[in-house]
Amino acid sequence: DVKVTQSSRYLVKRTGEKVFLECVQDMDHENMFWYRQDPGLGLRLIYFSYDVKMKEKGDIPEGYSVSREKKERFSLILESASTNQTSMYLCASSLSEATNEKLFFGSGTQLSVL
Amino acid sequence: AQSVSQHNHHVILSEAASLELGCNYSYGGTVNLFWYVQYPGQHLQLLLKYFSGDPLVKGIKGFEAEFIKSKFSFNLRKPSVQWSDTAEYFCAVNALKGYSTLTFGKGTMLLVSP
Repeated sequence: DVKVTQSSRYLVKRTGEKVFLECVQDMDHENMFWYRQDPGLGLRLIYFSYDVKMKEKGDIPEGYSVSREKKERFSLILESASTNQTSMYLCASSLSEATNEKLFFGSGTQLSVL
Repeated sequence: AQSVSQHNHHVILSEAASLELGCNYSYGGTVNLFWYVQYPGQHLQLLLKYFSGDPLVKGIKGFEAEFIKSKFSFNLRKPSVQWSDTAEYFCAVNALKGYSTLTFGKGTMLLVSP
């Protein structure tokens, strides 16, 4: 079975800190995604990547950047964390190039920015 | 751009009651449709999907969903819920237009009382 691993389950950071969220998938998937999940708002797409060194903005990219230097790893970066970035962050991957047939999700990282 | 609307934020049912969760999407072209489920403390997982063909699709754990194109709807149903169905359910749509991504609804929290 596909495994999507997020490096931290819980993180607490201070306002202004630079934060790295790491995600690794073990099934050679082309596509990787970062979502944030907030109560009552569902999942919102931050960034995605269809190939190494390729990145595309999602619906809410402001305040975030990403890095995909290797196919299996997709990092989300908060350049200067703010309290409104307190959220559950979900990484996902999928095999298909254009249809996103099935997303496999990690367990999530609950980030608290104080 | 596509969007997804889920009719209820919270649903409370007794065991053995029938379930129907509403989902409507807005996009004029061809779409793929999904229902994902997140059980307490677990990662998101695919419940069922519709790509083409029979508009009535069956998923895991006795769930099914019906795609009604004229109504832009993809409602999730189960004839008799169990306590173990307590979870948050997300409807998602992927518009088939090149490199598109999944858009999720805001989720419906289902609580099944024993």
